[in-house]
Amino acid sequence: DTEVTQTPKHLVMGMTNKKSLKCEQHMGHRAMYWYKQKAKKPPELMFVYSYEKLSINESVPSRFSPECPNSSLLNLHLHALQPEDSALYLCASSQPGTGRWYEQYFGPGTRLTVT
Amino acid sequence: DQQVKQNSPSLSVQEGRISILNCDYTNSMFDYFLWYKKYPAEGPTFLISISSIKDKNEDGRFTVFLNKSAKHLSLHIVPSQPGDSAVYFCAASSLIQGAQKLVFGQGTRLTINP
Repeated sequence: DTEVTQTPKHLVMGMTNKKSLKCEQHMGHRAMYWYKQKAKKPPELMFVYSYEKLSINESVPSRFSPECPNSSLLNLHLHALQPEDSALYLCASSQPGTGRWYEQYFGPGTRLTVT
Repeated sequence: DQQVKQNSPSLSVQEGRISILNCDYTNSMFDYFLWYKKYPAEGPTFLISISSIKDKNEDGRFTVFLNKSAKHLSLHIVPSQPGDSAVYFCAASSLIQGAQKLVFGQGTRLTINP
């Protein structure tokens, strides 16, 4: 099973709402990632969790709050977003400490629209 | 500054011929390079990778070549098939603070014509 699942598939939220994106993998991977992808642009790294600890925060605004409750689950909590935060949010996972630690497996993404 | 560049936004190739996608990078600290394929409304799918200490890696119809002195890599697809039509991203990996960071190029849209 090389699947990373993300819910919801689509999300529309107002600027005063609080919502969460969810990502799950059952491959036993111990590194999980959040990326943001705007239209016609490459994915941009936001956060990296390694062994459930936040390892990298790419200077993301505090209105995005990641959480890794366990080794197979990754959440992204959203609060007071701006319209320019509308994008495809991608989750990925990989297995550090193995021969192929550099291969990341991506979920299908959540298409977020902020109104 | 863009550390990974794909200078061709699009490429059109006849079915059965070779597709060559190119990628340039600037950071000598990258240790692995990867190619991902992306269909609309889906996440990127891992295709093939190469270590910075190798110059070639082959997997079926896909071959990646790395020229470290030129900081250039390319993906060859032979023979090209209609199902190969997608956006292809080149990505470069480095270890930062004990975690892996991937930097993506802008992508090249490949269209295979029947």
